Amino acid sequence: EPEVTQTPSHQVTQMGQEVILRCVPISNHLYFYWYRQILGQKVEFLVSFYNNEISEKSEIFDDQFSVERPDGSNFTLKIRSTKLEDSAMYFCASQRQASTDTQYFGPGTRLTVL
Amino acid sequence: QQQVKQSPQSLIVQKGGISIINCAYENTAFDYFPWYQQFPGKGPALLIAIRPDVSEKKEGRFTISFNKSAKQFSLHIMDSQPGDSATYFCAASATGNQFYFGTGTSLTVIP
Repeated sequence: EPEVTQTPSHQVTQMGQEVILRCVPISNHLYFYWYRQILGQKVEFLVSFYNNEISEKSEIFDDQFSVERPDGSNFTLKIRSTKLEDSAMYFCASQRQASTDTQYFGPGTRLTVL
Repeated sequence: QQQVKQSPQSLIVQKGGISIINCAYENTAFDYFPWYQQFPGKGPALLIAIRPDVSEKKEGRFTISFNKSAKQFSLHIMDSQPGDSATYFCAASATGNQFYFGTGTSLTVIP
């Protein structure tokens, strides 16, 4: 069964450093999302991406964040200058069609900012 | 502003019992209501989902009950098993938009 994959599974970085989190969505999916989950809290939406552009973003997704689909398979989330409060699990999700289908989540990347 | 409110925060059920988790929403534009199951260190996995044109959906031991007028929906797990112990999130979305998640319910099923 096709699944969303994410790398790395765990990323440790120093405050102020840039990180890139990578996702490979399910191959025939068209809509892509990033969510984050701070330990013990709910899953929060960051951004949605369709047709090579951001379609929606939350207040969390400020200028320090960016997304990119550099090729036909990868979908990346970049945090330019990490802060301590960016420490969380980051989940990528993909969806075949927005109107009818659910979002399938990857296993997540645990980001730890020291 | 919390778009989706979920309760209880935690739930302990005996094996074989019924687990019930409730969610309420405000936005009448929401038209898709999934439930996700999450095990520690894993991503949320879709369990079951419903659209507001039906009041109930059943898949195996899992049932969603949906009350459109009350803007509430609930997950019922029949014959709960220790393997069901996980965190359950309800979510809601309007077509094509982000999912709004509830705060999660930690379910423990005691053998």
